[in-house]
Amino acid sequence: QKEVEQNSGPLSVPEGAIASLNCTYSDRGSQSFFWYRQYSGKSPELIMSIYSNGDKEDGRFTAQLNKASQYVSLLIRDSQPSDSATYLCAVNGGNQFYFGTGTSLTVIP
Amino acid sequence: ETGVTQTPRHLVMGMTNKKSLKCEQHLGHNAMYWYKQSAKKPLELMFVYSLEERVENNSVPSRFSPECPNSSHLFLHLHTLQPEDSALYLCASSQSRADTQYFGPGTRLTVL
Repeated sequence: QKEVEQNSGPLSVPEGAIASLNCTYSDRGSQSFFWYRQYSGKSPELIMSIYSNGDKEDGRFTAQLNKASQYVSLLIRDSQPSDSATYLCAVNGGNQFYFGTGTSLTVIP
Repeated sequence: ETGVTQTPRHLVMGMTNKKSLKCEQHLGHNAMYWYKQSAKKPLELMFVYSLEERVENNSVPSRFSPECPNSSHLFLHLHTLQPEDSALYLCASSQSRADTQYFGPGTRLTVL
């Protein structure tokens, strides 16, 4: 059973702080990794994808991948109330996506 | 229309009804997916169509029946559903099965 594990939260951070979201996966053969954001009642939307070890930055978002530790994280700098959502980690291995249950983030004004 | 669209957005049906969900993608992708999202559970992949090949999750009950007439359209036919089938049903598409998936807005299904 290939698994993607996330802390379900809720994670609360004050506005302007850094939010750190973590994800671990079980399949060492996984090749690509994604973070999706899902607002309540809406569908998931892609934030970042990452394919190689290290950091990838896009605006206020940084994805970090460590394949040796089977760990991928998402950092959100200068968190805004509009970042309050559930963040889904997804891992692609063997041509199939595996999603975590998501981490609920609340940014407090 | 752009991206991935789904209709209807909301559906309430009785256990004896037959209904269909529709998905259309305008991205030129070659793979389309149906997912079920229930509260507090991971997204559950139900069916994949990729270059005319269908892959399914063997745990999906036969009361769910997919149809993919071409690479842009995907249907999910529903019949004799159960209340536990109430969930958000999401359609997604990708260029290939290894690529990023893009989701439609979903259909909120309630089975009475």
